[in-house]
Amino acid sequence: GIQVEQSPPDLILQEGANSTLRCNFSDSVNNLQWFHQNPWGQLINLFYIPSGTKQNGRLSATTVATERYSLLYISSSQTTDSGVYFCASRGGSNYKLTFGKGTLLTVNP
Amino acid sequence: DGGITQSPKYLFRKEGQNVTLSCEQNLNHDAMYWYRQDPGQGLRLIYYSQIVNDFQKGDIAEGYSVSREKKESFPLTVTSAQKNPTAFYLCASSIRGGGQSSYEQYFGPGTRLTVT
Repeated sequence: GIQVEQSPPDLILQEGANSTLRCNFSDSVNNLQWFHQNPWGQLINLFYIPSGTKQNGRLSATTVATERYSLLYISSSQTTDSGVYFCASRGGSNYKLTFGKGTLLTVNP
Repeated sequence: DGGITQSPKYLFRKEGQNVTLSCEQNLNHDAMYWYRQDPGQGLRLIYYSQIVNDFQKGDIAEGYSVSREKKESFPLTVTSAQKNPTAFYLCASSIRGGGQSSYEQYFGPGTRLTVT
């Protein structure tokens, strides 16, 4: 099945800084999602982005399917951005999302 | 207010007891999923269902059982055969299930199960 690797595993920022999170996947995909897991464990959908670029406020994401990677950009980070960011992908006729191990982001005031 | 609800939020059980986790959705989605998350890890698929009265095992189905009698509901039973049941359990749904087309999955708030 598809392998998903995220980097970096941990990231510490000062409020206001920008950051880039990376997701590499091992095969072609027809689904690529980015999630933010809040302190209560809820997975918040950030982007559904099997290819191309999308933006939502301070967040944007780009997936280059031919090169098998996706990037999540966070600009002007805030303390509320803290948490774990997961990338998950699905390929072929598979039914499940395969998750990476996540990036733990800490934004300090 | 459409969404996925899971209950209870926290659940404590003694070893050897079966326990059932609830998952309900009012999004009119055909497909539903159960994932398990262990500390510091991503999610792993336990079971999924593409349609009522049908479900398939995921990667870690041993010690779990499910039913799908209604479109809105997909309860998960953690049986005494599950060797390490303490975990965070998340339910998800999507408009459709597998196939070459792909559909965004949405997640419920999760249930934290502790077995002692």
